[in-house]
Amino acid sequence: GAGVSQSPSNKVTEKGKDVELRCDPISGHTALYWYRQSLGQGLEFLIYFQGNSAPDKSGLPSDRFSAERTGGSVSTLTIQRTQQEDSAVYLCASYGGGDTQYFGPGTRLTVL
Amino acid sequence: AQSVSQHNHHVILSEAASLELGCNYSYGGTVNLFWYVQYPGQHLQLLLKYFSGDPLVKGIKGFEAEFIKSKFSFNLRKPSVQWSDTAEYFCAVNPGNTPLVFGKGTRLSVIA
Repeated sequence: GAGVSQSPSNKVTEKGKDVELRCDPISGHTALYWYRQSLGQGLEFLIYFQGNSAPDKSGLPSDRFSAERTGGSVSTLTIQRTQQEDSAVYLCASYGGGDTQYFGPGTRLTVL
Repeated sequence: AQSVSQHNHHVILSEAASLELGCNYSYGGTVNLFWYVQYPGQHLQLLLKYFSGDPLVKGIKGFEAEFIKSKFSFNLRKPSVQWSDTAEYFCAVNPGNTPLVFGKGTRLSVIA
């Protein structure tokens, strides 16, 4: 597609449930990033994939968070045993060597 | 660790007023600097960027920013704001192809 797409656009879940968020980057982009946007915290880096290298997980807030990228393209961010503080907008961005990262529309996660 | 400070949390201006949003960063090496904008209900979009060269950069919609290395600053300016500029503005920095470090954002409200 022309841009980064994310699904679902909105997700409401109950505390303790697992959720999966999907990102489809721009075709051919080798780098993929996950960020989290929450009230009062701004945008925080979570995890970064570059080609076939091991991902940079330094931004993941806890071991309940994990992500994978299959075939160097689609990525899934998984949050296990969700907590209310996980409520946020989760943004994916891809980078292909140009000027900047391109962001998707985000997934708004609400944990009740 | 790198950090980005945006001095204003919420700015309210009348149409035609001039705008300046402050941004300071902590990284001492060579960095790429960005301003992103998020209009209500839309995803993050690149407003302008500085990689090297002329420290005064011009972006879309009449915005510009000046990189002052000695002050570690990259302030965003617009001489005359419009109601359609109502949005949240994020300053970001990265040294090369690395995850972006964002400021907490400045919400701009332009009133008629």
